Amino acid sequence: GQQLNQSPQSMFIQEGEDVSMNCTSSSIFNTWLWYKQDPGEGPVLLIALYKAGELTSNGRLTAQFGITRKDSFLNISASIPSDVGIYFCAGQQLFGNEKLTFGTGTRLTIIP
Amino acid sequence: DTGVSQNPRHKITKRGQNVTFRCDPISEHNRLYWYRQTLGQGPEFLTYFQNEAQLEKSRLLSDRFSAERPKGSFSTLEIQRTEQGDSAMYLCASSIRGHAGKTETQYFGPGTRLLVL
Repeated sequence: GQQLNQSPQSMFIQEGEDVSMNCTSSSIFNTWLWYKQDPGEGPVLLIALYKAGELTSNGRLTAQFGITRKDSFLNISASIPSDVGIYFCAGQQLFGNEKLTFGTGTRLTIIP
Repeated sequence: DTGVSQNPRHKITKRGQNVTFRCDPISEHNRLYWYRQTLGQGPEFLTYFQNEAQLEKSRLLSDRFSAERPKGSFSTLEIQRTEQGDSAMYLCASSIRGHAGKTETQYFGPGTRLLVL
């Protein structure tokens, strides 16, 4: 099945550093979402973006919906140990089957 | 309501056996989705229901797979004659389909991890 291109694939950072990751698609999406997944658990929604160009924050997380509607970015500021996990972007169409198309994931590791 | 629940959380089976997974969505959510996630990959769409109607199936869903949502509440996913390639995490998500144009948010369950020996 189709998977969106997500980069970087993995990140090793120190606590307190800022993190940036992005997601690109060959298709246009009406909605972009960012999920976090911990080992052995299902994805948990972090941020949802509904309009091209939209910039949305959720605490230390900020995400943007690209103006071309083919990409999205997620930034995490001042990382803390609980930020460790795998982050997935997901694109969604509307007015029909609202299935999610996920990215390949970015694994975030915090070095003590 | 505590969210989407899935049972069992883990299943180990021998190749050729049949397995069935259950998903209980958030109450009043009329849409239910099944996804499959293999190691190191993002979830991939399998099928979805609106109420009791199964509206789309992915090409990933071979003839050995069948999903039901008989009363528009919980759903089951059955895999017949399991193969080693079926080993994966099976995720269920639910959402509410509102008025036309209203964006829905999918909430995921914890998943069922299947290992086929």
